[in-house]
Amino acid sequence: KNQVEQSPQSLIILEGKNCTLQCNYTVSPFSNLRWYKQDTGRGPVSLTIMTFSENTKSNGRYTATLDADTKQSSLHITASQLSDSASYICVVGARDTPLVFGKGTRLSVIA
Amino acid sequence: DAGVIQSPRHEVTEMGQEVTLRCKPISGHNSLFWYRQTMMRGLELLIYFNNNVPIDDSGMPEDRFSAKMPNASFSTLKIQPSEPRDSAVYFCASSSEGTSGRAEQYFGPGTRLTVT
Repeated sequence: KNQVEQSPQSLIILEGKNCTLQCNYTVSPFSNLRWYKQDTGRGPVSLTIMTFSENTKSNGRYTATLDADTKQSSLHITASQLSDSASYICVVGARDTPLVFGKGTRLSVIA
Repeated sequence: DAGVIQSPRHEVTEMGQEVTLRCKPISGHNSLFWYRQTMMRGLELLIYFNNNVPIDDSGMPEDRFSAKMPNASFSTLKIQPSEPRDSAVYFCASSSEGTSGRAEQYFGPGTRLTVT
């Protein structure tokens, strides 16, 4: 069964600190992996998309990594800001099937 | 570009009533997706269209749910009759490519549905 598991479920960090969110998946055949940021009350917004051949991709202070062998991905946030408080959703695409969504990690950045 | 437009933003209705959610995708996008999001289950794909044709509706929970896309710029998701367990946020998203490609999916702001 295609599944995406994220950890931790929630996380609280101090402003300025770094953090790493984890994603494990069992989706096959793998096509791409996406990280979305969802602010409270809004729709998800794409941060990065990676295919099988890409093992890292950055978007400003966000850096996503992908290990297709172990079927793991991480999202690293550097020098966190209050505006980073949101849910971060890992999404995996398989060929010819709909996207599979994780349940997200709820990040709270506090002053 | 205005992005994906959804209406209404909030809907409160009584059990048994018909609910219609509306979506206008980004102009030029040929794929449209309806999702439901709850705390317990996260985001779930209900149905998606490619070139106005329903491709996969396996996520539609039951016959009470139906979706249409009469043209490239408009889609509806209807629940009839509605039940309290349908309470959720419903998102519409559009893309210039199908689900397995690299194309971004752009989400609308969602419709928060509450069925009492």
